[in-house]
Amino acid sequence: AQSVTQLGSHVSVSEGALVLLRCNYSSSVPPYLFWYVQYPNQGLQLLLKYTTGATLVKGINGFEAEFKKSETSFHLTKPSAHMSDAAEYFCAVIRRGVQGGKLIFGQGTELSVKP
Amino acid sequence: EPEVTQTPSHQVTQMGQEVILRCVPISNHLYFYWYRQILGQKVEFLVSFYNNEISEKSEIFDDQFSVERPDGSNFTLKIRSTKLEDSAMYFCASCLSLNNSPLHFGNGTRLTVT
Repeated sequence: AQSVTQLGSHVSVSEGALVLLRCNYSSSVPPYLFWYVQYPNQGLQLLLKYTTGATLVKGINGFEAEFKKSETSFHLTKPSAHMSDAAEYFCAVIRRGVQGGKLIFGQGTELSVKP
Repeated sequence: EPEVTQTPSHQVTQMGQEVILRCVPISNHLYFYWYRQILGQKVEFLVSFYNNEISEKSEIFDDQFSVERPDGSNFTLKIRSTKLEDSAMYFCASCLSLNNSPLHFGNGTRLTVT
């Protein structure tokens, strides 16, 4: 069975600092991987995804994530945090071969950005 | 950009009452989903719907839950007799195809059962 673990339910960074949100997955076959963001009072918005090809994927708002099969990880990074990045971030997986369908989510990481 | 819309944004109901959560998926999408997020917990899959029938459901989706696509645009989730533990944020999602299209989520309906 697939599962996702996000280390740290709450991460706080200063504006301009590096953002690192951790995600590890468990799956018998490397799945497709996603990061979603949820701003206050809004729905889940796709930040980026990894399906095939280059393991470093770039998303919206300057975020990127790297798929590391050996570490079963898909950590999300952004070089310089902005106040508008404050939100909840969810890592999710789905079985290889599909992108739509039953996503398995991590528990989420709330990112706070201090001025 | 087309989006998934959900109404209402917040619903308060008394325990034992029936509630219907409404969603309008993106118009040309074919696959529809409900997820829920209990406060402080993970987003959990409830049910998927394709070609006018349920294609998969989770253990959470018991006989108290039902889904319907009554016309060409709406996709509803009904809870027949709400319980306190049904209080959660419910997200509707849709996608065009399973292979090349990721899920698009609505803004959610916050259900509070008192």
